[in-house]
Order: sequence, then C-alpha cells, then structure tokens
Amino acid sequence: AQRVTQPEKLLSVFKGAPVELKCNYSYSGSPELFWYVQYSRQRLQLLLRHISRESIKGFTADLNKGETSFHLKKPFAQEEDSAMYYCALSGVGAGGTSYGKLTFGQGTILTVHP
Amino acid sequence: NAGVTQTPKFQVLKTGQSMTLQCAQDMNHNSMYWYRQDPGMGLRLIYYSASEGTTDKGEVPNGYNVSRLNKREFSLRLESAAPSQTSVYFCASKATARNTEAFFGQGTRLTVV
Repeated sequence: AQRVTQPEKLLSVFKGAPVELKCNYSYSGSPELFWYVQYSRQRLQLLLRHISRESIKGFTADLNKGETSFHLKKPFAQEEDSAMYYCALSGVGAGGTSYGKLTFGQGTILTVHP
Repeated sequence: NAGVTQTPKFQVLKTGQSMTLQCAQDMNHNSMYWYRQDPGMGLRLIYYSASEGTTDKGEVPNGYNVSRLNKREFSLRLESAAPSQTSVYFCASKATARNTEAFFGQGTRLTVV
C-alpha cells in the first residue's frame, strides 16, 4: 500500500520567514514524489518533482528515504505563496500490475501574512 | 490547447438520482484519474486508468463506476447518489504512468440533497 501524510492542515508564517511543509510517505518500492499547488480559483498544478532536483519559485524538496520524507522548504516566504499544497506519490497499483497509481496527502493550507 | 476538460462544473442531485461526470483530455495522455476533494481529507483517489483499456480502484471506489471510453475520455458514474458523495470532483491525466506531471481539470462541484 502507498500512503502520503501531511501532518499540518494549516500553516501560517510572516513574509520573509522560512517555511517548511512536511510530507511523509509509506511505500515499499522506489517512490516517485511530487509537490502540487492549488492557488485560489486556479487548477491544481505541479510545483516540483523529486527526480528533477530543481528549485521552483524558491521552493526545494529533498527525498529522504531513511526518514521516508519529502518536505517542501523555502527560505523566505512571500505573500503570493499562500495556497493549498499537496504532496503526492506515484507507485504501483493493486497486484503490482499497473504502475501509475497517484496518491495525494491531505494537503496543507499555507498562509503568508504581510 | 484545452488540456483537461470536465463537465458539468456544478450539479445538484437528489438522493438516489444517477449521473455521469465527463472528463476529456486532448494531450494524448495514457493515464487518467478521478479524485474527490473534501475539507480536511485532501484529494482521495476514486478510480484510475493507467492506460487505455484498464481501470483500477483507488482509495474510495464504493458508490462509483468508471469507463475509459477511449484514450481521450474517462467518465465517472454515480448510480445512486448519496449525501456523502457531496464533494468537489477532479479529473487528471498524465502522459505516462511513471514520473510525469499530472494535469488537472477545473473540477465539478456536486451537491447531493
């Protein structure tokens, strides 16, 4: 089974403060992990994926297989970062026959105050 | 480029009524998904289709059926709607099953009274 846990439903910080959105996963194979973001009145969209090791809008995320975590970090939060953030895992479906099951966490609403 | 299109955007049903949510993508993607989004529960996978001709259950399939009509279209059917199915439903697609970006529709807000 694959599971994604985001322990914080709400996270509030002030502009310029560091922010970390936590994500832990449970998966027996080699995971593929993503962060998606949903801004107000917009569609859910990809923010970054672990395999790319990239920084998008100042956000980074490192896959820690030992701690089964994929936390999202940004050193200096901006007001425009306020949104719903989802961590997601892509793995194998039932019986190992179908790779492509995409599972999301519960989401974290980030609010950045001026 | 329309991407992923869902219809309808809003729907109100009475308990026991049936309906089909439509989803189509024009990106030639292989994998398609149906999720429901509820406050505090995040996005929960209902059904998915890793490729044309296959469908699999997700976390919360009870009360739903799906049809992968062709490569473009993946519909979600509620045979007998219940108030517990009041939610926002999202369709998504991916080019391939592995490590590719998922593109989402704009969502369908369904209320069952």
